[in-house]
Amino acid sequence: AQSVTQLDSHVSVSEGTPVLLRCNYSSSYSPSLFWYVQHPNKGLQLLLKYTSAATLVKGINGFEAEFKKSETSFHLTKPSAHMSDAAEYFCVVSDLAGGYNKLIFGAGTRLAVHP
Amino acid sequence: DSGVTQTPKHLITATGQRVTLRCSPRSGDLSVYWYQQSLDQGLQFLIQYYNGEERAKGNILERFSAQQFPDLHSELNLSSLELGDSALYFCASSGTGYGYTFGSGTRLTVV
Repeated sequence: AQSVTQLDSHVSVSEGTPVLLRCNYSSSYSPSLFWYVQHPNKGLQLLLKYTSAATLVKGINGFEAEFKKSETSFHLTKPSAHMSDAAEYFCVVSDLAGGYNKLIFGAGTRLAVHP
Repeated sequence: DSGVTQTPKHLITATGQRVTLRCSPRSGDLSVYWYQQSLDQGLQFLIQYYNGEERAKGNILERFSAQQFPDLHSELNLSSLELGDSALYFCASSGTGYGYTFGSGTRLTVV
């Protein structure tokens, strides 16, 4: 079965410094991977997705993620954090077990951005 | 606005009661998914419907049921509610591509 592990439950950065949110995945085949963001009291918004095209994926709001098969990782990065980036981030893998596509969420990483 | 509409946004009810959560998918999407988000369990997949038919089941309790109607909207029915059912319930829809579009959720509080 597919699964994802988000290595940090909380990450705290200063505004203007780089962001790194780590995610490892487990998959028996070439996976589809996603990052979603959830702002407080809001729904889930798709940041970016990897579906076996380019390994470096660019998303919205300056975020990007790199798919590394050898490391089974899909870390999310951003060069410079903004206060508005404070939110919960979910790494997600698509599970095709049983022939039906469903998303499996990681436990989430809460990003705090300090002035 | 993501295009996925969930109603109501908030719901407060007593233990033992039954509630219905509604979801209208994004225009053209045939698949609807329900997820439960709670503090202790995180985001859990409950159930998927595709064009009116149940396609996949996740960690959905027997007290919970869902259906998708001919106009593609979906309803999640929660019965014999317990305090532990308090959570944020998300609906998502998808079309032919990967990735889902999520609604803003229904926050259920059982008192």
